[in-house]
This record gives sequence, structure tokens and C-alpha cells, in this order.
Amino acid sequence: EAQVTQNPRYLITVTGKKLTVTCSQNMNHEYMSWYRQDPGLGLRQIYYSMNVEVTDKGDVPEGYKVSRKEKRNFPLILESPSPNQTSLYFCASSPGTGLTEAFFGQGTRLTVV
Amino acid sequence: GQQVMQIPQYQHVQEGEDFTTYCNSSTTLSNIQWYKQRPGGHPVFLIQLVKSGEVKKQKRLTFQFGEAKKNSSLHITATQTTDVGTYFCAGRVYGNKLVFGAGTILRVKS
Repeated sequence: EAQVTQNPRYLITVTGKKLTVTCSQNMNHEYMSWYRQDPGLGLRQIYYSMNVEVTDKGDVPEGYKVSRKEKRNFPLILESPSPNQTSLYFCASSPGTGLTEAFFGQGTRLTVV
Repeated sequence: GQQVMQIPQYQHVQEGEDFTTYCNSSTTLSNIQWYKQRPGGHPVFLIQLVKSGEVKKQKRLTFQFGEAKKNSSLHITATQTTDVGTYFCAGRVYGNKLVFGAGTILRVKS
């Protein structure tokens, strides 16, 4: 089954404790991205990757890191989480540039206390 | 930066009533996509519009792309309880960058 898998689905952590949210897709998609969803703000792009070893900042990259060592995986790293990073996070993938739809993961609800 | 404004933010309708959400962009879009997110779920692709003035239908849903390719709308005829959720538009400006609107939350009273 074609899917984008995120882990964990829920996470409560403390300020400053490094964490990683994993994202994996089995569709051989080139393009992957991370979004955060906050009430009234919609989906805002954090980082994206056009292909292996190619990543770039989205609209709200501060406080986040990503890596793309393999085509299927695109982890999101919070080196020192802060309460303002409490949010619902989505990973998405698509076949490439142009007229392609985005496939979203199930989401990760992160709470930083 | 590029913005896609979406209104209304929230709408509560009686089952059977119609519903419309609107998106407006500050710049011309190469195409626009619509997604639906059920409560507690993730966004799921509904449709993509590419051509100026394009109109597409999916059963009770009608999607339009404006002549100037700066605005779009989603209209649902005779809403049902299964229509509840958040509807997002997403405009593509260049390359593969999708800019999402803030979404319209639809609630349906039965």
C-alpha cells in the first residue's frame, strides 16, 4: 500500500531535549516536505527536499533541521525544542515538480512543556 | 512572501444547505489544489485546477479557477454530515512549492 509513515504519532517532551520525528515513503517520490499546522494558520512549510542530499528552507525553518540521506526517509530534527514548537506536524511527499499532488503522513502531535 | 488567503475561517451549516469556500492569491498561480482534512485526520488531495477559468465537478463538489488564475472556489451542494472537516486550497507559484491557505472548517448540523 502506497503511504507516508510518520513516527511517533504523539509525543510529549520537555524544553531542550533533542528529538527526531521520522518520515518514510514507499512511493519512490523525489520531493518530500515538512509542515506544521496551527489553528488559524493552516499548513506552513518548514523544510523541503527535492531529492537525496538536496534540502532547503521553507517558510518557518527556525529551530528545525532535516536530512535526506536516502530517497525514502526525511527525518525532522528539533535540536532544542521550545514550547512554541508545540504543534501538529505533517510530512508529505510527491513524485516531483510540476502537476503533482502531495501525499501526507498521518501527522505527529508534539507537545513541548 | 507569497500568500494565499482563504475565507471563511469557519462555517456551520444545516445539513442540506450549500457551502462555499474561497481562496485568493496575491500573485498569479500556475495551478491550485484542494485538500480535505477530516477531524483528527491528515490532508487528502481532492483535485487540481490548471487552466484559466477551469471548472471541475466531483459529485456535489464544484471547483473553479479564476480567469486571472489568482482565485479559486470550492462549492458543495446540499451538504451532508460526511462533508465535515477542514478544506484547504494550495496554490503553486513556481517549481514545486505549494502555499496553503489557512483552511475553512466546515461543520454540518443534522
